[in-house]
Amino acid sequence: KNEVEQSPQNLTAQEGEFITINCSYSVGISALHWLQQHPGGGIVSLFMLSSGKKKHGRLIATINIQEKHSSLHITASHPRDSAVYICVTRGGGADGLTFGKGTHLIIQP
Amino acid sequence: DTAVSQTPKYLVTQMGNDKSIKCEQNLGHDTMYWYKQDSKKFLKIMFSYNNKELIINETVPNRFSPKSPDKAHLNLHINSLELGDSAVYFCASSRGRNYEQYFGPGTRLTVT
Repeated sequence: KNEVEQSPQNLTAQEGEFITINCSYSVGISALHWLQQHPGGGIVSLFMLSSGKKKHGRLIATINIQEKHSSLHITASHPRDSAVYICVTRGGGADGLTFGKGTHLIIQP
Repeated sequence: DTAVSQTPKYLVTQMGNDKSIKCEQNLGHDTMYWYKQDSKKFLKIMFSYNNKELIINETVPNRFSPKSPDKAHLNLHINSLELGDSAVYFCASSRGRNYEQYFGPGTRLTVT
């Protein structure tokens, strides 16, 4: 059974700081998703990765298959980045989806 | 145009009732999902439906039943509602199992 651990659970930073959120998992996977849940409750898929690195605007996601680890980076963070970021892996289990418990990020102006 | 829509947005009902939440996607996707987000804000997969193949999370009570009249719809029917069913339910869709998912706005269910 896959175990997905995210760190940190909570993160408060100042506007402009470089942010890193980590996700580790315990078994081989076919893909990893990063989701963003806004304070209003809406969920947006940020990235889906199976290898390497992806970039979208100020967001960068990387995955290291050998180390079973992924990171989500936010450059030049802004208060509108305040949200919960959730790591989801696919591989193993009834449907293969295993969720991390999320990282609650607050960016202060 | 909303890609993934859910109705209703809010649902308040009494214990023991039967209710349905509807989900529709206009993205032409083959795969649809239902998720439950509990009071601790943890998301859990309940079901996924791909080309008439239903995959059920074994922890979901059989009071919950997904119904897919066609590829664009995956409705969630809940029988004999219990207090513990109170949560936000999200529908999502994707082009296939290993593709990006698009989420609906969520349905907040409150059972009194």
